[in-house]
Amino acid sequence: EDQVTQSPEALRLQEGESSSLNCSYTVSGLRGLFWYRQDPGKGPEFLFTLYSAGEEKEKERLKATLTKKESFLHITAPKPEDSATYLCAVDSGGYNKLIFGAGTRLAVHP
Amino acid sequence: EAGVTQSPTHLIKTRGQQATLRCSPISGHTSVYWYQQALGLGLQFLLWYDEGEERNRGNFPPRFSGRQFPNYSSELNVNALELEDSALYLCASSPGQASRQETQYFGPGTRLLVL
Repeated sequence: EDQVTQSPEALRLQEGESSSLNCSYTVSGLRGLFWYRQDPGKGPEFLFTLYSAGEEKEKERLKATLTKKESFLHITAPKPEDSATYLCAVDSGGYNKLIFGAGTRLAVHP
Repeated sequence: EAGVTQSPTHLIKTRGQQATLRCSPISGHTSVYWYQQALGLGLQFLLWYDEGEERNRGNFPPRFSGRQFPNYSSELNVNALELEDSALYLCASSPGQASRQETQYFGPGTRLLVL
């Protein structure tokens, strides 16, 4: 059964303290891995799509990487406005059904 | 460019009633998806529509149903509401099966409360 596990569940950082979030997955055939950011009570905001091992994408302070078994979201010098829940999802099997992890709640304090 | 829109933002119903939620996709997108985000359960896939047809369905009972209109907007209907149906219902859209770009873009959601 396809599965996505995110760690840690929650992460507290000081402003400027870089860190990484992990997303490990077990799927029959990966068609894409997606990172989203979700603020409380709002819909997920798209960040990145990764398709193959070795791929990397960057946006401002965020960088996403992909291996055959996991993905990392690296946050460099975070600011308080980066505080949110970060969701990882995979699309496998060709049915456009995203399987989401439980998310990592990130809090960045000044 | 306008994003995915959903209405209403909030909906309060009583157990046994029916709820109708609406979604308009990003202009040019033909695929619409519905997800349920219940407290503590994460996002769960409900339905996928493309070009007016239901393409895939998640593990939800038949009282969850929907449709896609010729303008690609979509409606989610939940019949015989139960207390555990209380959740944030999210709609997403993507360019469609004809495109290789399958990233799903989400709307703000409809918060359904069943009393």
